[in-house]
Amino acid sequence: GEDVEQSLFLSVREGDSSVINCTYTDSSSTYLYWYKQEPGAGLQLLTYIFSNMDMKQDQRLTVLLNKKDKHLSLRIADTQTGDSAIYFCAEDWNYGQNFVFGPGTRLSVLP
Amino acid sequence: DAMVIQNPRYQVTQFGKPVTLSCSQTLNHNVMYWYQQKSSQAPKLLFHYYDKDFNNEADTPDNFQSRRPNTSFCFLDIRSPGLGDAAMYLCATSREQGTNEKLFFGSGTQLSVL
Repeated sequence: GEDVEQSLFLSVREGDSSVINCTYTDSSSTYLYWYKQEPGAGLQLLTYIFSNMDMKQDQRLTVLLNKKDKHLSLRIADTQTGDSAIYFCAEDWNYGQNFVFGPGTRLSVLP
Repeated sequence: DAMVIQNPRYQVTQFGKPVTLSCSQTLNHNVMYWYQQKSSQAPKLLFHYYDKDFNNEADTPDNFQSRRPNTSFCFLDIRSPGLGDAAMYLCATSREQGTNEKLFFGSGTQLSVL
């Protein structure tokens, strides 16, 4: 089946940049997404990228997509303590009929 | 504000005692989903409704059922909860099914089974 992989943990210092990486398997994915989950809460859509783009910037967030390697990354500039959360990479496959989530990367921001 | 609302926030049930989780939405979206999320894992899709059409994932146990009496409400029924069913249950909606149809999530119901 389709598979999305992420590293499980990342720690950064406040003010530094965070880079969260993701690899996926389905070459027919049209859109790829980043969701944020704060403790005890549901998932919140952060940003997404169309598969024929290689970069998208949205304020402090930069998404990079390497479609050849099926690699997606999320860069958070000037990371703040409020950015501490679990970040899920997701792909839509079967032309949007299904979403597949990665296991999530727990970002810890140290003062 | 338009949103996806799940009740209750926390639910405790006993082993084998039926339990129902609720989800409502004010977005008027056609599609409603139920996901199960265990600790430190990705959300796993249980089933979804496209309007009144129910779509079950192949590996969803028969113990899990769902009802969607109208556009706004969707329920998750667990007929005989086991200890392994303790998890966060997330309801989500999307306007349609297809590419770039974003999911909107509720805050989830944390289910404990004693």
